[in-house]
Amino acid sequence: AQSVTQPDIHITVSEGASLELRCNYSYGATPYLFWYVQSPGQGLQLLLKYFSGDTLVQGIKGFEAEFKRSQSSFNLRKPSVHWSDAAEYFCAVVPISSGSARQLTFGSGTQLTVLP
Amino acid sequence: DGGITQSPKYLFRKEGQNVTLSCEQNLNHDAMYWYRQDPGQGLRLIYYSQIVNDFQKGDIAEGYSVSREKKESFPLTVTSAQKNPTAFYLCATGANVLTFGAGSRLTVL
Repeated sequence: AQSVTQPDIHITVSEGASLELRCNYSYGATPYLFWYVQSPGQGLQLLLKYFSGDTLVQGIKGFEAEFKRSQSSFNLRKPSVHWSDAAEYFCAVVPISSGSARQLTFGSGTQLTVLP
Repeated sequence: DGGITQSPKYLFRKEGQNVTLSCEQNLNHDAMYWYRQDPGQGLRLIYYSQIVNDFQKGDIAEGYSVSREKKESFPLTVTSAQKNPTAFYLCATGANVLTFGAGSRLTVL
């Protein structure tokens, strides 16, 4: 069965520091990959997605993610974190064979705290 | 201004009551979804609909019901059969990239 693992439940960084959030997936083949962000009490917003092509993907708010097939990973990065980045981050995958959100699988999320 | 709207934002239910959460979209998408979110867990799919007048059970459909009479609307009813309904409920629409509503928080008193 497909699965998505976000190993870090909670991460704390200082404002201005760099950030990396980890995501690993278990699939038979390379899936479509997504990162979403959720502010408290709000819905999820798409940060970026990987379907094919360049393995380094740029997203909104200065985020990027790198797909590494050999490691089954899709880690999210930001060079310099802002206080407004404090939120929960979800990695999600869907099989290319369907491409349908019906088979979207979410990780359990990583809560990011930003210290002033 | 295209988007997806959920209401109410907060809802309280007494034991034994059914409650209905509203979800409306004006993005002209065929597919709509309902997810449940609990602390420390990812999103779990309750129901989805890929076209008007058709819907399918997701992974945790027991105790919930839906209808899809219009393309724009996909209401979710949390029935008294749902044993642990206190949660944050998210509606979404889209094909493979989802747009989410702001969510509805249901609390059982």
